[in-house]
Amino acid sequence: KAGVTQTPRYLIKTRGQQVTLSCSPISGHRSVSWYQQTPGQGLQFLFEYFSETQRNKGNFPGRFSGRQFSNSRSEMNVSTLELGDSALYLCASSLDATGVGEKLFFGSGTQLSVL
Amino acid sequence: AQTVTQSQPEMSVQEAETVTLSCTYDTSENNYYLFWYKQPPSRQMILVIRQEAYKQQNATENRFSVNFQKAAKSFSLKISDSQLGDTAMYFCAFAGGTSYGKLTFGQGTILTVHP
Repeated sequence: KAGVTQTPRYLIKTRGQQVTLSCSPISGHRSVSWYQQTPGQGLQFLFEYFSETQRNKGNFPGRFSGRQFSNSRSEMNVSTLELGDSALYLCASSLDATGVGEKLFFGSGTQLSVL
Repeated sequence: AQTVTQSQPEMSVQEAETVTLSCTYDTSENNYYLFWYKQPPSRQMILVIRQEAYKQQNATENRFSVNFQKAAKSFSLKISDSQLGDTAMYFCAFAGGTSYGKLTFGQGTILTVHP
């Protein structure tokens, strides 16, 4: 069974631009979560989607948004990029049999650099 | 809010020896889950082990085991017979309540296994 796939692996953007990252979960997984990883702040939760609905959200500004499609694939969008948005963005999927405490399976991430 | 603290930024161990990574957490919730994830240089987060707080028995997965002390809010990871492939960043993480898809991570411990 294929793992979580994130595209692209690397991305370089300039300040003020917007970016869209894509995540395909493991087949059969219905929940998709997004995380930001930086050397200074560590791993921080962005949001979680299940059945095309956002169920949970972290403490990030409205410039960060996401969505989930009917096939469970998810995208996240960052508008008006800032230098501080440079980070590794990780996507994770789970079966969501119980909703909380599920084992999350992560992709290899998208490394975003904002110049 | 939950917090997760890993007090050891770096650890090293000789191949075939045993090493223990420390983690403490703070929460007011009764029902929660604790995890250890490893992140090798490939950047993909890999689940090592999961502990359900209501289970008194410590979780084990082959060479990996935990020492879960609920009253002390301590959750350490023991790696036996360390292998070169265990070299990675290790993260302790917490999930609880209605935190769908959300893990609260510690700052991580870099583990190096020496031949």
